[in-house]
Amino acid sequence: TQLLEQSPQFLSIQEGENLTVYCNSSSVFSSLQWYRQEPGEGPVLLVTVVTGGEVKKLKRLTFQFGDARKDSSLHITAAQPGDTGLYLCAGAKGATNKLIFGTGTLLAVQP
Amino acid sequence: DAGITQSPRHKVTETGTPVTLRCHQTENHRYMYWYRQDPGHGLRLIHYSYGVKDTDKGEVSDGYSVSRSKTEDFLLTLESATSSQTSVYFCAISSEWGAGGTDTQYFGPGTRLTVL
Repeated sequence: TQLLEQSPQFLSIQEGENLTVYCNSSSVFSSLQWYRQEPGEGPVLLVTVVTGGEVKKLKRLTFQFGDARKDSSLHITAAQPGDTGLYLCAGAKGATNKLIFGTGTLLAVQP
Repeated sequence: DAGITQSPRHKVTETGTPVTLRCHQTENHRYMYWYRQDPGHGLRLIHYSYGVKDTDKGEVSDGYSVSRSKTEDFLLTLESATSSQTSVYFCAISSEWGAGGTDTQYFGPGTRLTVL
């Protein structure tokens, strides 16, 4: 059962555009992480959000955890070709480190 | 980069043959995980380990077994490979447990397995 749905699945944009990726669930998570994965490599952690309503910024990337801790969003401002990759959200339930991964959003930023 | 290696990086095998994938870490992390990644499914946990000889099942453990005889090595075995096990397999490590997901999992480079 896939508990985390990401949208959109694919996104192709021009350099300089803004975009938002969504990660939604009907379940409550104790924390949520965002990873980026490049072709032929493993995912790399970008950020962890823990508190409902929390907003974290990482340069041009803004991450938000929903108030009810059931959803999250990733907003990229002025996307660059280097942002190209697969973005994955992953939620943790309870007091464990077992992660449930979302379906992924494949982003392509054209120069 | 976390010191995680996976071997082999690519493997093609035939249905019914046994296959063992190896994950090796140099970080002395206690926790190790095996995931598989398939289009439309993201990453799904197969098995994990919380110490030497201590392992447990994940979400999609059927058809897989694991062993951890040393802190640094975590082996994933497909006893009799099937075409449905064609996938990219990732190993991950972390140093904490029970932190509500606030610990970081570091992933290896992956093994692409094709079962014909």
